[in-house]
Amino acid sequence: EIVMTQSPGTLSVSPGERATLSCRASQSISINLAWYHQKPGQAPRLLIYGASTRATGIPARFSGSGSGTEFTLTISSLQSEDFAVYYCQQYNNWPGTFGQGTKVEIK
Amino acid sequence: EVQLVESGGDLAQPGGSLRLSCSASGFTFSTYWMTWVRQAPGKGLEWVASIKEDGSEKVYVDFVKGRFTVSRDNAKNSLHLQMHGLRAEDTAVYFCVRGLAGASMWVFAYWGQGTLVTVSS
Repeated sequence: EIVMTQSPGTLSVSPGERATLSCRASQSISINLAWYHQKPGQAPRLLIYGASTRATGIPARFSGSGSGTEFTLTISSLQSEDFAVYYCQQYNNWPGTFGQGTKVEIK
Repeated sequence: EVQLVESGGDLAQPGGSLRLSCSASGFTFSTYWMTWVRQAPGKGLEWVASIKEDGSEKVYVDFVKGRFTVSRDNAKNSLHLQMHGLRAEDTAVYFCVRGLAGASMWVFAYWGQGTLVTVSS
């Protein structure tokens, strides 16, 4: 099973600032990597797949990069609705596995 | 609009059974793999089981093999998860999930609101 490790565990950011989240895979997953965010009491929402393709309706301030084992999600200018927990997920190997999450909180 | 609505979550005794259901609408259900993902309280996401479009192939993660069975009824646009031998560690919100089309079928674009399973005596 591929282990996905996210860092940092918690990121404190002021509205309008840039946030950079990292995700590392225990072995190469090519670009088969997705990012989701989840607000309390809600289901996760797909943000990025294929490491860098924004899902339908996702604003351009969200961008993803990376391949192989190292991936990054960047939020260029945090809005109030972006404060949430972010998960990465690999879907290169069965079973697809998720990272433990990065909580983005208001500084 | 794609909609996934789970039901069946409840309080169960250790060793007990529950059957979860997911009612799907807004897309051609029979043409998509479907998946159950769970989330323990305050924890991360775990893939549980997936089933092929026609039900001919099912895959499970190791920790539910032999205890959980995924099934579907394409005539009724419904997905099910039969759970036996429940353990305290199965306590979680269970989400019914659909992926994107084709090669991105494991990219989970659509989620239900989840149904809570609590295993406790």
